[in-house]
Amino acid sequence: AQSVTQLDSQVPVFEEAPVELRCNYSSSVSVYLFWYVQYPNQGLQLLLKYLSGSTLVKSINGFEAEFNKSQTSFHLRKPSVHISDTAEYFCAVSVSSGSARQLTFGSGTQLTVLP
Amino acid sequence: NAGVMQNPRHLVRRRGQEARLRCSPVKGHSHVYWYRQLPEEGLKFMVYLQKENIIDESGMPKERFSAEFPKEGPSILRIQQVVRGDSAAYFCASSLSSLNEKLFFGSGTQLSVL
Repeated sequence: AQSVTQLDSQVPVFEEAPVELRCNYSSSVSVYLFWYVQYPNQGLQLLLKYLSGSTLVKSINGFEAEFNKSQTSFHLRKPSVHISDTAEYFCAVSVSSGSARQLTFGSGTQLTVLP
Repeated sequence: NAGVMQNPRHLVRRRGQEARLRCSPVKGHSHVYWYRQLPEEGLKFMVYLQKENIIDESGMPKERFSAEFPKEGPSILRIQQVVRGDSAAYFCASSLSSLNEKLFFGSGTQLSVL
């Protein structure tokens, strides 16, 4: 079975500062990796995903994550955050790209961007 | 709003009562998933349904919990005789197919058992 650890439950950061949200996983087989974001009073939305190919994946709003197999990590980064990035971020892994039943989520990281 | 709608947003029940959580998927989606997030933990898969069928309930507790997705109307997650340990956020997601990256989530129902 796979598991996901998000070590930081709360990350406060000032606007325009860089941020890194950490995600580590464990699995005995190859995995697919995802970051979901939940804005206040909304459902989770897929932010970005790694299925195969380039280990650096990017979202349309400036976030990026790098799959590091040796460190079993998939940290999320943004060089300069905005107030609108305030949300809860969930890292998830799956052993299959074809089944949402096998998604395992981390406990989430609340990112709060301060003015 | 054409997204996944869950209601109620917050539900308070006393021990022994029944809780009914509703989920209306994105229009046209026939795949529904329920997840539970216990305090300080990640979301965990509970059950996967297609219209009128339970496909996979491997994550559902064996007793007191049931789910349905009728031909007409929302999907319902029903918890009978609730206990304090049932207090959690329950999320519903829907998809057009069963591929991970096409999941649309609702904003969840926070169940509090007194």
